[in-house]
Amino acid sequence: DAGITQSPRHKVTETGTPVTLRCHQTENHRYMYWYRQDPGHGLRLIHYSYGVKDTDKGEVSDGYSVSRSKTEDFLLTLESATSSQTSVYFCASRADRLVDDTDTQYFGPGTRLTVL
Amino acid sequence: AQSVAQPEDQVNVAEGNPLTVKCTYSVSGNPYLFWYVQYPNRGLQFLLKYITGDNLVKGSYGFEAEFNKSQTSFHLKKPSALVSDSALYFCAVRAEGGKLIFGQGTELSVKP
Repeated sequence: DAGITQSPRHKVTETGTPVTLRCHQTENHRYMYWYRQDPGHGLRLIHYSYGVKDTDKGEVSDGYSVSRSKTEDFLLTLESATSSQTSVYFCASRADRLVDDTDTQYFGPGTRLTVL
Repeated sequence: AQSVAQPEDQVNVAEGNPLTVKCTYSVSGNPYLFWYVQYPNRGLQFLLKYITGDNLVKGSYGFEAEFNKSQTSFHLKKPSALVSDSALYFCAVRAEGGKLIFGQGTELSVKP
């Protein structure tokens, strides 16, 4: 597996507070992704990055922002957490197509976030 | 638009029996298809992928998947199930820009 870590692994917070989740990869992958996993929905893409400082929205981006100042780090921020953002969050990364043209993504262990 | 469907929320199999986890897809053009497995409280682990070539793809842990273009299916199979195969399985298809579209997942339960 690719070296992808996420922090924190668990977090409980209150409605209205800001929360930042961190994803760190050691594979020098160009692309990074944030997903949320909810029962009955599988994984849904929140935001993704195609390079340092280059990000774009995914399927469920409302209420979330991201930043990527270094290749290895991709941050997900909930500016003002709501109970609907209680979920398990996964980060993933993949190499540039020049390295791996199959676009295989590799996942971190996840962060369980509870918003009370 | 690309999409993936996993028609079964849960599959129950006895240990030693063959297992199949179903996946159908809808894409324009040639599909890139993936299977991932998620064990409890873990991230998703890559199992196998179909890009082109042989319709039977072999992957990790003895799993294989059969690509069927006419039926737009990519079913995951294993000849003899183990209790340790019990997990959540996701099928995914590559979308534009290398993004993945996931199915809703199938819970596989293998009983002794």
